[in-house]
Amino acid sequence: EDQVTQSPEALRLQEGESSSLNCSYTVSGLRGLFWYRQDPGKGPEFLFTLYSAGEEKEKERLKATLTKKESFLHITAPKPEDSATYLCAVQVTWAGKSTFGDGTTLTVKP
Amino acid sequence: NAGVTQTPKFQVLKTGQSMTLQCAQDMNHEYMSWYRQDPGMGLRLIHYSVGAGITDQGEVPNGYNVSRSTTEDFPLRLLSAAPSQTSVYFCASRRGTVDHYEQYFGPGTRLTVT
Repeated sequence: EDQVTQSPEALRLQEGESSSLNCSYTVSGLRGLFWYRQDPGKGPEFLFTLYSAGEEKEKERLKATLTKKESFLHITAPKPEDSATYLCAVQVTWAGKSTFGDGTTLTVKP
Repeated sequence: NAGVTQTPKFQVLKTGQSMTLQCAQDMNHEYMSWYRQDPGMGLRLIHYSVGAGITDQGEVPNGYNVSRSTTEDFPLRLLSAAPSQTSVYFCASRRGTVDHYEQYFGPGTRLTVT
């Protein structure tokens, strides 16, 4: 069975304090790994797709990386507006389901 | 484009009642899905569709029905509501091509069953 585990469950940072979120996965064959951002009371918003080990994607202060067993979402010099829950998901077949992790709730204090 | 829209935003049901959550998208996406999200948890797939007339079950399909008569619409029906179905429901869509798996989510429907 496909499994996705995110850590930590919650992360509190000071503004400007860089850190990383982890997503480890166990799947039979990865077609894609996704990162989403979810603000309270809203639907998830797509951030990145990673397809193969070694791939990296960047967007503003966020950088996602992928290995054969895990992905990291690096946050450089975060700002309070980066506060949100970050969800990781994996896709193993093109027509099948995405399996989501439980998310990491990030709080950035000014 | 409005993207993915869901109605209603909030709903309170009594145990045993039935209702339909509406979902529509205007991006001509082939793939649509329904998820539920419980507090502190990720998203769990209820049902999905790879195109008009084709639906399949996800992880937690019991107590829910879906149909896909058009590309745009994908309603979710609760047959006989139970307190365990209290949750936030999200509809999502994506392209059907093999290199575009990212999903676009609606704003959600918050359902309470008493």
